[in-house]
Amino acid sequence: DGGITQSPKYLFRKEGQNVTLSCEQNLNHDAMYWYRQDPGQGLRLIYYSQIVNDFQKGDIAEGYSVSREKKESFPLTVTSAQKNPTAFYLCASSTGAGVYEQYFGPGTRLTVT
Amino acid sequence: QQQVKQSPQSLIVQKGGIPIINCAYENTAFDYFPWYQQFPGKGPALLIAIRPDVSEKKEGRFTISFNKSAKQFSLHIMDSQPGDSATYFCAASRRVTGANNLFFGTGTRLTVIP
Repeated sequence: DGGITQSPKYLFRKEGQNVTLSCEQNLNHDAMYWYRQDPGQGLRLIYYSQIVNDFQKGDIAEGYSVSREKKESFPLTVTSAQKNPTAFYLCASSTGAGVYEQYFGPGTRLTVT
Repeated sequence: QQQVKQSPQSLIVQKGGIPIINCAYENTAFDYFPWYQQFPGKGPALLIAIRPDVSEKKEGRFTISFNKSAKQFSLHIMDSQPGDSATYFCAASRRVTGANNLFFGTGTRLTVIP
């Protein structure tokens, strides 16, 4: 059963703590993406990765970090430098740079208090 | 700056009606325009997509109309059903150093009344 998994579904953290969100895909996709979704603002790109050991900043990368050590995994760390971390985080993947279709995981809702 | 503008923010129709959601863009480098459907607490699911070389695309009850000169595209849902109640996002994509980054509209919450 192929797809994208994100864990956990809900995550609670205290302000000032770093937190890492998991994203795994078994679709053999080359490219992976992280988006942030806030009410009334659509989805905004945080980071993307075309291949292993390579990633690029998206529109709102400040306060976030990523790694891509394996093709199937693209974890996102929300650092204490992110001023408004509470949001719904979505991971996506696509076959590669030449293919447009992106497929999304179920998301992780992060609440920081 | 919102690269893709979407309207309306919310829409209520009766079952069987034809809701229409509109999107507009400015960047002529965009060359792929998908629509996503999202249910509460779930990730968006790709619904239908169009390239700028065609003016219309149909898949089942969903139709995209594309007006390249006006830089506008819209989603029509024929014979809408209560199960279509969801938030719909339009998006546009362009090549960025080999990647394909999506720019999303702000979403339209559709409610179909039985």
